[in-house]
Amino acid sequence: DAGVTQSPTHLIKTRGQQVTLRCSPKSGHDTVSWYQQALGQGPQFIFQYYEEEERQRGNFPDRFSGHQFPNYSSELNVNALLLGDSALYLCASSLVYGQGADEQFFGPGTRLTVL
Amino acid sequence: AQKITQTQPGMFVQEKEAVTLDCTYDTSDPSYGLFWYKQPSSGEMIFLIYQGSYDQQNATEGRYSLNFQKARKSANLVISASQLGDSAMYFCAMREGWNSGNTPLVFGKGTRLSVIA
Repeated sequence: DAGVTQSPTHLIKTRGQQVTLRCSPKSGHDTVSWYQQALGQGPQFIFQYYEEEERQRGNFPDRFSGHQFPNYSSELNVNALLLGDSALYLCASSLVYGQGADEQFFGPGTRLTVL
Repeated sequence: AQKITQTQPGMFVQEKEAVTLDCTYDTSDPSYGLFWYKQPSSGEMIFLIYQGSYDQQNATEGRYSLNFQKARKSANLVISASQLGDSAMYFCAMREGWNSGNTPLVFGKGTRLSVIA
């Protein structure tokens, strides 16, 4: 049973460019959440997708957008990259009706460097 | 206001000793869950232990236990018999609500644990 997978592992972009990160959730999970983890910080919630719609959003600008496909996989897009967007981007999958100890399973992350 | 506070940026522990990592939280929701994750240098967040706000007993998972003091709003992680492989970042996180499969996690800033041989 494959866990959460993310691609690519590492990415280097320059300011002003656009980037797309990809995530495949754990088998059986229907909800995908994206987190940004800056160096030395804890992960911060970007947004969450369920049934191909953005359901919740954290305090991130519109430059951050996403998509969920019918197979539950998801993409995170960031436009007009800034130096401050350099971070580890984590994808987590879960069940929308999960309760209590039902956890979010995290992928290995994509490390984005903006030069 | 910060919902999860981890006051120890870094901790050192001797191999085979026990160590406590501190976590305090803030919420007005009576239903919530507290999680601890381990993040090695590879970056993946590894789930360690969970404590629900209505759980009467402290959670335990192998060498991990959670010292849950509800009145003090603290949820400290205790690692017994530390091993070199325990060296990593440790994050405390909270999820508010019970039917909360779609509620995002709020994380603290983490504590870097270093186990010394």
